[in-house]
Amino acid sequence: KQEVTQIPAALSVPEGENLVLNCSFTDSAIYNLQWFRQDPGKGLTSLLLIQSSQREQTSGRLNASLDKSSGRSTLYIAASQPGDSATYLCAATMNYGGSQGNLIFGKGTKLSVKP
Amino acid sequence: GAGVSQSPSNKVTEKGKDVELRCDPISGHTALYWYRQRLGQGLEFLIYFQGNSAPDKSGLPSDRFSAERTGESVSTLTIQRTQQEDSAVYLCASSFDRRVEQFFGPGTRLTVL
Repeated sequence: KQEVTQIPAALSVPEGENLVLNCSFTDSAIYNLQWFRQDPGKGLTSLLLIQSSQREQTSGRLNASLDKSSGRSTLYIAASQPGDSATYLCAATMNYGGSQGNLIFGKGTKLSVKP
Repeated sequence: GAGVSQSPSNKVTEKGKDVELRCDPISGHTALYWYRQRLGQGLEFLIYFQGNSAPDKSGLPSDRFSAERTGESVSTLTIQRTQQEDSAVYLCASSFDRRVEQFFGPGTRLTVL
């Protein structure tokens, strides 16, 4: 059974700092991995999706990497801003023949960027 | 175009009552997923619909939970005889197909007193 873990559960940084959020998974047979942000009282916003054949994806100040062999993904945020404060979730889709694409989520890292 | 919408945004009900939650997916998205997020827990998969195929109900926690979807349109999640442990945020997501990027609605916060 796939388990997705995110460490740390919470992180506080000063504005302008570069930071890395970590995601690990126990089963490397993933189809893709998706990073989301969740703001209080709101749904999830998709940030980046990495296919299992890819090593990384970039969007603006965000860069996500994937290392299937070690069961790890990281989300790098450059020059953090107070508006980046949110909970960041990673989620994996499995590559089993019967997989319907449902996401398996970690519990998230709550990021606070202080002005 | 419009994103995924859900209604109601908040629902407070008494234990034992039935509730119905609604999800409007993005137009053209054939795949629709329901998840729930209980306080302090990660999101859990509940059910998956793909076009007119039989739904994947493997994530439903009990037979009090059911869901319907007609074609590629609106879906409703029904919880019968609600219990306090059903209190959670229920999130709906849609995508062009299975195993591609999913887009989430704002969720319905359900509180069972």
